[in-house]
Amino acid sequence: QVQLLQSGAEVKKPGASMKVSCKASGYSITGYYLHWVRQAPGQGLEWMGWINPNNGGPNYAQKFQGRVTMTSDTSITTIYMELSRLRSDDTAVYYCAKGRSRYEIWETFDIWGQGTMVTVSS
Amino acid sequence: EIVMTQSPATLSMSPGERATLSCRASQSVSTKLAWFQQKPGQPPRLLIYGASTRATGIPARFSGSGSGTEFTLSISSLQSEDFAVFYCQQYNNWPYTFGQGTKLEI
Repeated sequence: QVQLLQSGAEVKKPGASMKVSCKASGYSITGYYLHWVRQAPGQGLEWMGWINPNNGGPNYAQKFQGRVTMTSDTSITTIYMELSRLRSDDTAVYYCAKGRSRYEIWETFDIWGQGTMVTVSS
Repeated sequence: EIVMTQSPATLSMSPGERATLSCRASQSVSTKLAWFQQKPGQPPRLLIYGASTRATGIPARFSGSGSGTEFTLSISSLQSEDFAVFYCQQYNNWPYTFGQGTKLEI
């Protein structure tokens, strides 16, 4: 079945960088946009951006421009999200999520990874 | 950015009752509106997309309606497993945005 499997929890110090991976299986990764969404403890959901695994092209939410980098490696059906210059308010669960329709940007997310908890603390 | 506002923040219901959750967009999102259910420690689960289409495997007791700026999620007869937090999301404009959530509690 279609699955997204994320890397494990991380603890980082302020100012450091984090990199979370998301491995897709059960479908053709190059056909669907993949998104990153985060959720701070006890808070709501915040979209960070997407990547088109077909050509590696990303689109980032303005809030994260300059700090986030999303990449893909289709040979191992994996995408990555790197966030730099971490602050304490970056502490959150980070999710990858698959776009529902093939080749469609304006689409919601039908499959989610299990989430990766990242804690930023000195 | 489009602001999504959900109401109420908390809804206290009993099993078997009908629940109605609301979501309002600060500008029109046409029908590019989704609803998610999230239980503690789990990722969100897609319930409704296109404002009114149930996602694969979602029971018929869940229904969505609305267009433009006003949307509703209805659960016709609450089951014990339905109690969770529900989020609406617009995907008509960047950045995609979510409401702050409605907690449906027993």
